[in-house]
Parts: sequence; structure tokens; C-alpha cells
Amino acid sequence: ETGVTQTPRHLVMGMTNKKSLKCEQHLGHNAMYWYKQSAKKPLELMFVYSLEERVENNSVPSRFSPECPNSSHLFLHLHTLQPEDSALYLCASSQGLVYEQYFGPGTRLTVT
Amino acid sequence: QKEVEQNSGPLSVPEGAIASLNCTYSDRGSQSFFWYRQYSGKSPELIMSIYSNGDKEDGRFTAQLNKASQYVSLLIRDSQPSDSATYLCAVYRTYKYIFGTGTRLKVLA
Repeated sequence: ETGVTQTPRHLVMGMTNKKSLKCEQHLGHNAMYWYKQSAKKPLELMFVYSLEERVENNSVPSRFSPECPNSSHLFLHLHTLQPEDSALYLCASSQGLVYEQYFGPGTRLTVT
Repeated sequence: QKEVEQNSGPLSVPEGAIASLNCTYSDRGSQSFFWYRQYSGKSPELIMSIYSNGDKEDGRFTAQLNKASQYVSLLIRDSQPSDSATYLCAVYRTYKYIFGTGTRLKVLA
């Protein structure tokens, strides 16, 4: 595996389900990010981890819960989602916060 | 005022021409500036990063940064149909990454 990988690539879940998105980076980076991309809207930064510590939480609803067990892995735990949460969820990593980010392929989430 | 503004386009250029994409930002404390390309249904792909005033060239791409005027631009020389995509401008300042809505570029064969 190279770069940034994400699983699953597609996910359909009901509003009462609990699921998790997984991201793994193979670049030796020390910062990881979750973004949400909805149609016709700019990328929205959700969470930032640097050296496994969360450094930013952009007013994201508590139904989204991130976890960063080590510098290579990042999870986004989902529960009690709403239909408006349907979007493309992107993971990214970088070597330091000020430097360029490399994105994974994304998880297309549909909440029914 | 949006923090990062881009013209949504589409910007149409003939094959072989220079495509010029522009982006303005509102926060003078912004530290890093990036251009990403995103094909429909795909994730963003890094094209260029620029951190100081002036030009930075990489192959057919040139990024230009003017902090005094708060704009960053991307020039694509010898545009190819494969360059047709949405180009995202992104700006970083202390834990905040702000993306523009993107400019859709169409290169006509």
C-alpha cells in the first residue's frame, strides 16, 4: 500500500447505526486530518491531529468522534447520523501542520 | 466575505493555451498556500505549494503569491484536455485549513 488509504470506499447506513471509517497513511507523516465534502460546498475541515494529539475540532457535532491511536492510523466513529451528513469523507496527512496535505480516495457515505 | 474566494467558472481555454486561475484570501496571517486538482468523483491531488512571495515553477505549472494583495494564482502552460478538472485553492493559518469552492477548468481539444 502506498500513500493514504481509506476504508470502506462506500458506506450506506441508517440513522440508528454505528459505523467507523478508517484511514491509514504510509508516508511517515505526523499530522492527519478528516474533511467533509458536500456537493456545491467547499471542503470542510473536521478534525486535525498532530503527533497523535487532537489540535483542532471545528465545531463538529458529537455524532462524529475521531480517534488517532498512532501516527499512521485515524478513525472516524459515526453514530446517530442525519441524512444531511451524507457526503464524501476525506482523510489527509502531512509532514507538519504548515505543509502540503496528501488525500486518501475518500469514503462516500450515504445516510438513509 | 469568504475567507478564500475563487471564481467558480467554468474557465474554458483551447488546448495549448495558458490557463490562469486566481484565488484571494482574507486573513493576512495566512502562512501557507496550496493548489489542488480534483477530477469529478476523485479526491484532491496536490499540484503546488507556495510559502513566500513570488513565483514557483514546477513543470507546466507556476504558482504566484502576493501577500500584500492577498492573492495567489496558478498558471498552467500548454494546457491539455487532461487538465480539465476543478482546481482548489487552500490557505493555512494556525490549525485552520480553508479551501475555496474551486474553479472548474475546461480545456478544449
